[in-house]
Amino acid sequence: NAGVTQTPKFQVLKTGQSMTLQCAQDMNHNSMYWYRQDPGMGLRLIYYSASEGTTDKGEVPNGYNVSRLNKREFSLRLESAAPSQTSVYFCASRLFRHDFNQPQHFGDGTRLSIL
Amino acid sequence: AQRVTQPEKLLSVFKGAPVELKCNYSYSGSPELFWYVQYSRQRLQLLLRHISRESIKGFTADLNKGETSFHLKKPFAQEEDSAMYYCALSVLGKTGANNLFFGTGTRLTVIP
Repeated sequence: NAGVTQTPKFQVLKTGQSMTLQCAQDMNHNSMYWYRQDPGMGLRLIYYSASEGTTDKGEVPNGYNVSRLNKREFSLRLESAAPSQTSVYFCASRLFRHDFNQPQHFGDGTRLSIL
Repeated sequence: AQRVTQPEKLLSVFKGAPVELKCNYSYSGSPELFWYVQYSRQRLQLLLRHISRESIKGFTADLNKGETSFHLKKPFAQEEDSAMYYCALSVLGKTGANNLFFGTGTRLTVIP
């Protein structure tokens, strides 16, 4: 029962390199989310996808792009990594668009360092 | 704009003592609030949600709209309660997804 799976778990990049973080969920959830977690900042929403075929910006989208490849997969791309993007990235998914009561389920996170 | 405030970054209590983790929110709509917890080396997971009015692992949280608060309480802290706790506000996004706005978190340490 994997839930939300993120790959890789750790990555070190040089400034200017590109990278795609992968996320897949096996719970048949409609909505998927990408967050970053920085010390003293909590989790901040980067992008989200309400359902397959839609994506939208969250609080901190600059420097990122996303693709909702299918219902299961939601990837996050850094086209030209910057040191300010050093963070822990979390993917989450959620069932039902209109039911406020449904919680988000989180992956283990990807720790990304940009030198 | 919506905002969630957790004023305490760190909180230490002795085992068996009561614990209260504070959360205040700012939101013009009808709030939907959650507490998430992250134990050491584990995923962030839901602890409880205000709409269910439930008690999970001895924790409760009451939504006080007058004070715009959703404090998390437990009468007798246990060592296994040591973790990072996040308060989160659910907001309807543009395309219908329910987005979460998180507070900055409180790290609770229960001293044996």
